[in-house]
Amino acid sequence: DIVMTQSPDSLAVSLGERATINCKSSQSVLYSSNNDNYVAWYQQKPGQPPKLLIYWASTRESGVPDRFSGSGSGTDFTLTISSLQAEDVAVYYCQQYYNTPYTFGQGTKLEIK
Amino acid sequence: EVQLVESGGGLVKPGESLRLSCAASGFIFSDTWMTWVRQNAGKGLEWVGRIKAKADGGTTDYAAPVKGRFSISRDDSKNTLYLQMNSPKTEDTAVYYCAKFRGWGWIDFWGQGTLVTVSS
Repeated sequence: DIVMTQSPDSLAVSLGERATINCKSSQSVLYSSNNDNYVAWYQQKPGQPPKLLIYWASTRESGVPDRFSGSGSGTDFTLTISSLQAEDVAVYYCQQYYNTPYTFGQGTKLEIK
Repeated sequence: EVQLVESGGGLVKPGESLRLSCAASGFIFSDTWMTWVRQNAGKGLEWVGRIKAKADGGTTDYAAPVKGRFSISRDDSKNTLYLQMNSPKTEDTAVYYCAKFRGWGWIDFWGQGTLVTVSS
């Protein structure tokens, strides 16, 4: 199984500042035939189901604010929030869909400093 | 508007059976690969399994902890997804989310979840 490891486990950032969350896969999730990275990012607020933010490692889902961006390739990926807003307080998860079993990172809790 | 509404959760004793249902609307259910994901209280997300659309074979895949005990099925005539939980264990206690895939394997919409508690 592909293990997804996020860092840090928790993060406190001031409003308006940049937040960066990392995700490392135990093997490459880059499919060479199409040069796509099979990674998605989700946001989960308390009492709610997760919400899709990013897929193909860097494609923003429709309706997601452009302060959210994804980057990386192979085994190392990053979710960046360019200017933290109060409504961004949540737990963020990465997920690989390169092969089954699909696996999630352990989550990163983002708070306001 | 896409909707996924889970039902069937509750308290079940270890070794008994439980079936969860997920009523889907707002999209072409029969063309869509579907999945179940669970979340223990205060913990992270764990993929349970998926079922492909019948046009793609309708096959299923499962995570190791539930393989052989849980079974995913679909009734396209009723736009409903099922999770049959046989021989549940205490460690299966979690909120179970029904969700839909878009594309290869990312989840673009989740239900609100249903709580399953396995306890004697």
